[in-house]
Amino acid sequence: DSGVTQTPKHLITATGQRVTLRCSPRSGDLSVYWYQQSLDQGLQFLIQYYNGEERAKGNILERFSAQQFPDLHSELNLSSLELGDSALYFCASSVLGAGEAFFGQGTRLTVV
Amino acid sequence: AQKVTQAQTEISVVEKEDVTLDCVYETRDTTYYLFWYKQPPSGELVFLIRRNSFDEQNEISGRYSWNFQKSTSSFNFTITASQVVDSAVYFCALRGTNAGNMLTFGGGTRLMVKP
Repeated sequence: DSGVTQTPKHLITATGQRVTLRCSPRSGDLSVYWYQQSLDQGLQFLIQYYNGEERAKGNILERFSAQQFPDLHSELNLSSLELGDSALYFCASSVLGAGEAFFGQGTRLTVV
Repeated sequence: AQKVTQAQTEISVVEKEDVTLDCVYETRDTTYYLFWYKQPPSGELVFLIRRNSFDEQNEISGRYSWNFQKSTSSFNFTITASQVVDSAVYFCALRGTNAGNMLTFGGGTRLMVKP
């Protein structure tokens, strides 16, 4: 158990819909990262938050947004969903700097 | 820009064979960190090891060993006496020290260990 909790584990939704993925980082970790794993793109970094502030952005679509709350949990919002958004979405947390990034079990999103 | 290449997309071995997974990286950062993760069929990403760019000492943990060679920008992973439970996808990743601390992943190597 990595200590990073993601909910839900599975999500099936229709095109055009909006979903929210939730992540609770390990106790004490201020930094949260979101990654997307798809068959064609592999594991790609989406966005990073540190102590409530956005710190870095990767290949995140404009239809996607995230935030980190004062209790340090984070949410990834995906809207206007398309079939191609079907993927495994991971959250990871770490102590900022050289710390290892520990990953949650992921949320498998299927858009039908 | 950072890049991680895992040239072996799939490897199949018979149990008890040794197997080496290759990882080559590119970065302009002088300080960086290298990682290996395991993704078993259940899907989670399991952290295996982190190495920083200043420490080229090889590491051994049980049946696992890692060979970091800065001169060739490689960070290879060897499993000795492989077991069926080692079957998984293995990812090599790189974290720089500029512009955030995100990981750049290689494409992964699928290891199949047959009984």
